Amino acid sequence: SQQGEEDPQALSIQEGENATMNCSYKTSINNLQWYRQNSGRGLVHLILIRSNEREKHSGRLRVTLDTSKKSSSLLITASRAADTASYFCATEDHNAGNMLTFGGGTRLMVKP
Amino acid sequence: EPEVTQTPSHQVTQMGQEVILRCVPISNHLYFYWYRQILGQKVEFLVSFYNNEISEKSEIFDDQFSVERPDGSNFTLKIRSTKLEDSAMYFCASRQDSGNTIYFGEGSWLTVV
Repeated sequence: SQQGEEDPQALSIQEGENATMNCSYKTSINNLQWYRQNSGRGLVHLILIRSNEREKHSGRLRVTLDTSKKSSSLLITASRAADTASYFCATEDHNAGNMLTFGGGTRLMVKP
Repeated sequence: EPEVTQTPSHQVTQMGQEVILRCVPISNHLYFYWYRQILGQKVEFLVSFYNNEISEKSEIFDDQFSVERPDGSNFTLKIRSTKLEDSAMYFCASRQDSGNTIYFGEGSWLTVV
């Protein structure tokens, strides 16, 4: 798989349920950032987690990072219809300069 | 909250024409980026810019592409002779410091016909 691959590619849940999206990567990273994108719109930054951090929270969002497994997860608790969007992880590679490498994203649909 | 702004939001151009996409990064930011996203595909890195010069560029960023920061506030991406495959959403982004959050604009849809 390529750097920053999300799993699953698509996820459909009912409002109120939790949504978990996973991201795997291959290289040594400085940080990993999660973004949200509504259809045809811009990328909205959600959370940045650094390589020396294991977990971060922001409201209903919880991000974990396991550098030994080169993986991260994004958990959205008590989902709402408005959470329907694509979610991307993006890694800042330790040796690749100041740029992000994006995964293919998870398309989340939250049904009311 | 400060944001990255991009213009135009949508542009349709004839193949072979030059296009300039404009961006105003967040004011105290030092690192600037262009990314693109072809419809239904991944967001791809094009170029990064720091201290008035390109710091990194991808294979996509060939001789047809150039970037400029002409006046200390705007950051532009020029495509000299557009091809059909240049049709994509182009995102400008900026960050204050290395290792910090990268903030993206709303994007400019470019359609080459």
